[in-house]
Amino acid sequence: NAGVTQTPKFQVLKTGQSMTLQCAQDMNHNSMYWYRQDPGMGLRLIYYSASEGTTDKGEVPNGYNVSRLNKREFSLRLESAAPSQTSVYFCASIQGLGTYGYTFGSGTRLTVV
Amino acid sequence: AQSVTQLGSHVSVSEGALVLLRCNYSSSVPPYLFWYVQYPNQGLQLLLKYTTGATLVKGINGFEAEFKKSETSFHLTKPSAHMSDAAEYFCAVTSYSSASKIIFGSGTRLSIRP
Repeated sequence: NAGVTQTPKFQVLKTGQSMTLQCAQDMNHNSMYWYRQDPGMGLRLIYYSASEGTTDKGEVPNGYNVSRLNKREFSLRLESAAPSQTSVYFCASIQGLGTYGYTFGSGTRLTVV
Repeated sequence: AQSVTQLGSHVSVSEGALVLLRCNYSSSVPPYLFWYVQYPNQGLQLLLKYTTGATLVKGINGFEAEFKKSETSFHLTKPSAHMSDAAEYFCAVTSYSSASKIIFGSGTRLSIRP
């Protein structure tokens, strides 16, 4: 089925470890996004890529880096994980302007101990 | 800047009763408004959206929402709740001028009582 695929689905890290969250979409969408979801806070934008080769900071970029590897793939890297980064991470994509809403992946549940 | 406020972090209704989830927005330009639903351990699915035109918008699963500019509201309703409607619902806003970024509300968890 067409959509947004995120890996891994679950991950436990120790404080200070690094990891990369992977995201791929097969809908030929131009724009891709990383959000984090925390209880009572909704979804907050970490980084986004409006098109291949560009990336921009969102609301909460500190502690994260991103790479738009090609049109399909957009990865999120935690260089030195902190307990405050315990969250559920969602990747999303859209075609063109955001007026049509996002297509979301199923999420990565990350725990930093 | 745009923002969204969802009134009530948790709403509980009986099966067959009216569902009303409240959303108010703030935007200095004409808004585009969305409702998303999230079932446990899943991503978000688009329920419905308002961009321009008719202010009463119908979505999937019998939900609808009405854009009221004078009240800066976009409340979500369903005439008769079903057990399968239990989920978390998010209201979101963007605009043509910032259409690459959508701002989400904090969510409302809907519970259905048998």
